[in-house]
Amino acid sequence: DTGVSQDPRHKITKRGQNVTFRCDPISEHNRLYWYRQTLGQGPEFLTYFQNEAQLEKSRLLSDRFSAERPKGSFSTLEIQRTEQGDSAMYLCASSPVTEAFFGQGTRLTVV
Amino acid sequence: GENVEQHPSTLSVQEGDSAVIKCTYSDSASNYFPWYKQELGKGPQLIIDIRSNVGEKKDQRIAVTLNKTAKHFSLHITETQPEDSAVYFCATERGADGLTFGKGTHLIIQP
Repeated sequence: DTGVSQDPRHKITKRGQNVTFRCDPISEHNRLYWYRQTLGQGPEFLTYFQNEAQLEKSRLLSDRFSAERPKGSFSTLEIQRTEQGDSAMYLCASSPVTEAFFGQGTRLTVV
Repeated sequence: GENVEQHPSTLSVQEGDSAVIKCTYSDSASNYFPWYKQELGKGPQLIIDIRSNVGEKKDQRIAVTLNKTAKHFSLHITETQPEDSAVYFCATERGADGLTFGKGTHLIIQP
């Protein structure tokens, strides 16, 4: 399967813990995006990378959120000191130019 | 920032009939308009897209129309089938700033 891969698919964590999600994009795509989707809503843009450069991060939800793409391939999204309001689906997408192809997402539940 | 309104929130049609979903947007600089289909527990799947220099695009049973003057675009599905049942999202993008999504339309195909 050469689609966008996200790991894990599900994560349950206790409030206050840190979590990290991984995204492996389609190999020839140099753009990588992170979105958050809450129940009954459309995805909400968080940040994006062109190769290893993070070109937009002002829309990350708070300073507890950070993302990296160290070698321009896979990316990680970290949430520190999780809160119940962080419970959502976190989606990764990759793009060659404009069309964005999404992974299956990581569903985070904070208890 | 961009605001995307999507209607209706729920649409029920008889199998074989047509379905139309409409979106309006606020940012006249938006130049890319994709539509995504999302099934339960899965990531959004790109089904069709249109760019601002095109008024209409068709792919088999699916078509999208764009009116840049009025800032609205629509998804048309003809000869609906049970497998068309899903949540559909419209989105807009300006440059590579990331997609802004509508709130989604739950399409129900009645047998």
